[in-house]
Amino acid sequence: SQQGEEDPQALSIQEGENATMNCSYKTSINNLQWYRQNSGRGLVHLILIRSNEREKHSGRLRVTLDTSKKSSSLLITASRAADTASYFCATVATWEGGKLIFGQGTELSVKP
Amino acid sequence: DTGVSQDPRHKITKRGQNVTFRCDPISEHNRLYWYRQTLGQGPEFLTYFQNEAQLEKSRLLSDRFSAERPKGSFSTLEIQRTEQGDSAMYLCASSQGWLAEYNEQFFGPGTRLTVL
Repeated sequence: SQQGEEDPQALSIQEGENATMNCSYKTSINNLQWYRQNSGRGLVHLILIRSNEREKHSGRLRVTLDTSKKSSSLLITASRAADTASYFCATVATWEGGKLIFGQGTELSVKP
Repeated sequence: DTGVSQDPRHKITKRGQNVTFRCDPISEHNRLYWYRQTLGQGPEFLTYFQNEAQLEKSRLLSDRFSAERPKGSFSTLEIQRTEQGDSAMYLCASSQGWLAEYNEQFFGPGTRLTVL
């Protein structure tokens, strides 16, 4: 079963704009991870944020985590056409063996 | 190290046939996970191994499914008597280190199964 809900389900922007995707989850977590998936391919790990962290940066990516609201956001700045992909948040619940529980994903389209 | 590999990349089979997929994790990764992804959905957890021990199986894993990881290296996922509902992408991931369950998972390219 899916734990997370992602919003929006689809997002279309112009190259150079920022893209923000949101993720909500239900249970206590150890960490939250964001993955990217190009059409029909495997998942690429983008960033991991632990439950005691509030914000993390990696290149053009910025992730926030609010454990009181059980939500996270992924911001991609200065988007490029190559960022076109599906983006998934996935949570690792505390004491659940490390399995990832994925949301349904946000499909991002960046138009040149 | 070339990352997690899966074989085959695509498999087309007829309903009722058995299929087996293989996953080779990153060497020395002690955790190995299997997920299934259907079109338009996020991956769903199936099962995972700590070295050679299978520690958890999802209720999605019916008795037609069996997974092994002999010697704690590669893993196989077998589906017996395939059904059309088994059509999906089967993804393998591995992770390592102390408290590997809390580290990032590296995914393979997946095996896309089509059951006719």
